[in-house]
Amino acid sequence: AQSVTQPDIHITVSEGASLELRCNYSYGATPYLFWYVQSPGQGLQLLLKYFSGDTLVQGIKGFEAEFKRSQSSFNLRKPSVHWSDAAEYFCAVGGAGANNLFFGTGTRLTVIP
Amino acid sequence: DADVTQTPRNRITKTGKRIMLECSQTKGHDRMYWYRQDPGLGLQLIYYSFDVKDINKGEISDGYSVSRQAQAKFSLSLESAIPNQTALYFCATSDGLYADTGELFFGEGSRLTVL
Repeated sequence: AQSVTQPDIHITVSEGASLELRCNYSYGATPYLFWYVQSPGQGLQLLLKYFSGDTLVQGIKGFEAEFKRSQSSFNLRKPSVHWSDAAEYFCAVGGAGANNLFFGTGTRLTVIP
Repeated sequence: DADVTQTPRNRITKTGKRIMLECSQTKGHDRMYWYRQDPGLGLQLIYYSFDVKDINKGEISDGYSVSRQAQAKFSLSLESAIPNQTALYFCATSDGLYADTGELFFGEGSRLTVL
């Protein structure tokens, strides 16, 4: 069965600190992996995606994520967090022939000055 | 203008009322989706449509119906709203050219409160 686990419901970091948001997935075929960000009152915006190839992918706003097949993980990272990064982050999985994406429950990021 | 537009953005209604949420898109995508977001549950798929004549149930379709009036329009209806349908609803589109899961493009959401 397909599923996505985001073990951290809420993370607080100081501005300028590094960030890592965890995502583990279960998928029966080759996964396509996504990270979305939702700012307050907004829809979801794609940060980055992985389909194949280089397992380290770069996204918008200085984010990157690394696909580790052996660990079924796709963790999101940013070396230096900005106050504007405060939002909710969703990991999602889909794949070849799939009809839709399966989303994790999200991680809320708070950035303190 | 937004590529994916949802109306209304906010709606308060009473139990038993019929409610329609509308979604229109200018991206030219064939695939359209309705998701429901509840705190702590992430996004759950209600219905999806791959073209005007192809509509499919998602994970939580009970109590909901949809209509794909045109390639660009996909409406979600609650025939008789109940309080546990209070949630944030998102419409999304994707380009299904390769029949694989592509990037989803989301509207800004419709917040529905059922009293």
